[in-house]
Amino acid sequence: EDQVTQSPEALRLQEGESSSLNCSYTVSGLRGLFWYRQDPGKGPEFLFTLYSAGEEKEKERLKATLTKKESFLHITAPKPEDSATYLCAVQAGQLTFGKGTKLSVIP
Amino acid sequence: ETGVTQTPRHLVMGMTNKKSLKCEQHLGHNAMYWYKQSAKKPLELMFVYSLEERVENNSVPSRFSPECPNSSHLFLHLHTLQPEDSALYLCASSQDPPGTDTEAFFGQGTRLTVV
Repeated sequence: EDQVTQSPEALRLQEGESSSLNCSYTVSGLRGLFWYRQDPGKGPEFLFTLYSAGEEKEKERLKATLTKKESFLHITAPKPEDSATYLCAVQAGQLTFGKGTKLSVIP
Repeated sequence: ETGVTQTPRHLVMGMTNKKSLKCEQHLGHNAMYWYKQSAKKPLELMFVYSLEERVENNSVPSRFSPECPNSSHLFLHLHTLQPEDSALYLCASSQDPPGTDTEAFFGQGTRLTVV
């Protein structure tokens, strides 16, 4: 059974304090790993797709990396508007989501 | 309009009511999905339609009934729900069928409260 575990569950950062979110996975035949951002009461917003170990993608202050067992979402010098829940999902037969990391960035 | 649009955004219904959730995608995608999101739980896949045919039903109770009349529209018909069915219901679409390496795009969701 495909499994996705995200850590930490919640993270509070001061504005400008860089950190990383973790997504570890167990899946047979990974076809893609996806990162989404979700604001309260809204649907997830697509951020990145990673396909193979060693791949990296960047968007503004966010950088996603992938190894054979986990993915990291690095946040550099975060701002309050980066506060959201970040979801990781893996695609094998179907899309399996983790529970997410709730990020709060304090001014 | 662009993207994936869901209506209504909020719905309160009694356990004996019948209601429907609507989803429309303007992306020209071939697959559409219903997900349930409850507090402290991962998104749960409920139904998948690919080219208007249901390809997956993850053992969802029969009080939830999907309908996909064409590749742009998806409905979720609700009847005799239970309070534990209260959740955020999300619709999504993807270019390619499930099982391929294609990202899904989500609507804003319908917040359902069963009283």
